[in-house]
Amino acid sequence: RKEVEQDPGPFNVPEGATVAFNCTYSNSASQSFFWYRQDCRKEPKLLMSVYSSGNEDGRFTAQLNRASQYISLLIRDSKLSDSATYLCVVTGNYGQNFVFGPGTRLSVLP
Amino acid sequence: DGGITQSPKYLFRKEGQNVTLSCEQNLNHDAMYWYRQDPGQGLRLIYYSQIVNDFQKGDIAEGYSVSREKKESFPLTVTSAQKNPTAFYLCASSTHTLNTEAFFGQGTRLTVV
Repeated sequence: RKEVEQDPGPFNVPEGATVAFNCTYSNSASQSFFWYRQDCRKEPKLLMSVYSSGNEDGRFTAQLNRASQYISLLIRDSKLSDSATYLCVVTGNYGQNFVFGPGTRLSVLP
Repeated sequence: DGGITQSPKYLFRKEGQNVTLSCEQNLNHDAMYWYRQDPGQGLRLIYYSQIVNDFQKGDIAEGYSVSREKKESFPLTVTSAQKNPTAFYLCASSTHTLNTEAFFGQGTRLTVV
């Protein structure tokens, strides 16, 4: 089983739609959780950290369920500029090492 | 401005040659990482270093080597032993503080010709 798994995608949605991404992780000792965004042929950039209490940043909401080892990202009112690959990231077995999921590609269509 | 710089952006290598990718950060981060990304794939850890003069193998270290002689620098050498080196290489750094993210350089795209 891979350490971090995500919805395979791609997701093709119209502008204004709400889209949800799911992620599961296998290491119950993981301590920190993040969603990154990666544009084509670019480096990943932090979208948001994920906290146990859940957190929201504008149109983006992240949730963490430690008992189920599950992380989610919700994007409301999708924009064309949201088109990218979304990477789920958790700290792994090497202390603060970052383990990346394979990513889920999102295309927002006009 | 603080940040992490990788060079070169594009690199072409002949088969059988070693090549070194540069990664420099001025964020005063203790930890640095090298990842490899193949088309349509996620990031895989090559090597990481939690402190100067110490580094550990990641999941795919074979055919690669690193050094960490200075806090700011973590160069990666792709040796001729790496059978399929064509990929996008990403360097990252972070602090040891919980819940702090990794910052990435812009990446080096290596092509073997």
